[in-house]
Amino acid sequence: QSVLTQPPSVSAAPGQKVTISCSGSTSNIGNYYVSWYQQLPGTAPKLLIYDNNKRPSGIPDRFSGSKSGTSATLGITGLQTGDEAVYYCGTWDSRLDVVFGGGTKVTVL
Amino acid sequence: QVQLVQSGAEVKEPGASVKVSCKASGYTFISYDIDWVRQAAGQGPEWMGFMNPANGNTAHVPKFQGRVSMTRDTSTSTVYMELSSLRFDDTAVYYCARRIGAAGSAQFDPWGQGTLVTVSS
Repeated sequence: QSVLTQPPSVSAAPGQKVTISCSGSTSNIGNYYVSWYQQLPGTAPKLLIYDNNKRPSGIPDRFSGSKSGTSATLGITGLQTGDEAVYYCGTWDSRLDVVFGGGTKVTVL
Repeated sequence: QVQLVQSGAEVKEPGASVKVSCKASGYTFISYDIDWVRQAAGQGPEWMGFMNPANGNTAHVPKFQGRVSMTRDTSTSTVYMELSSLRFDDTAVYYCARRIGAAGSAQFDPWGQGTLVTVSS
């Protein structure tokens, strides 16, 4: 059972948009920055979003992040087959240190 | 480019110890904390702890108390994580990751390629 709650899966057709939610509490998301990671099959997680909504260099602007209260959201527009992966949210928790969500599998139909 | 390269897969018996290495390159080794995260098959990542390579200070989650040790060799820019008294549920891929955010963040970039540790009798 992960501290941060994500939907197990989302799907959409190529070119469409998906959003992934990440729900936490005041001990984590409510008071700390959220990061998002993309994990392609058989590879290590890759940083997609940090500080709630910032993209590292090289990450396309099709990926966006937002936060409101104790929840955060990752958006992916212009969905591509190469976006098929598992996406994780992560943040600091005042009681547990670093915590992650259970992951959301994105399927391109 | 900034890179973390980990040691190869390990198979250990219950009760044994495993030591995983993580060699950093492409940046000033002592300028960033190195964290350790493990991931069991089909599960989300689980943070284990971190080391400050500049002073050797470490911290880890209570569940690993007495079983985990993190060390470093500044001459080779390498961080080590040793986990002892291995149990079957320690089977996972172990990652090292460079922390790029301030203390109190979960910003890791890049991650090592991962080291599969299998605990089997």
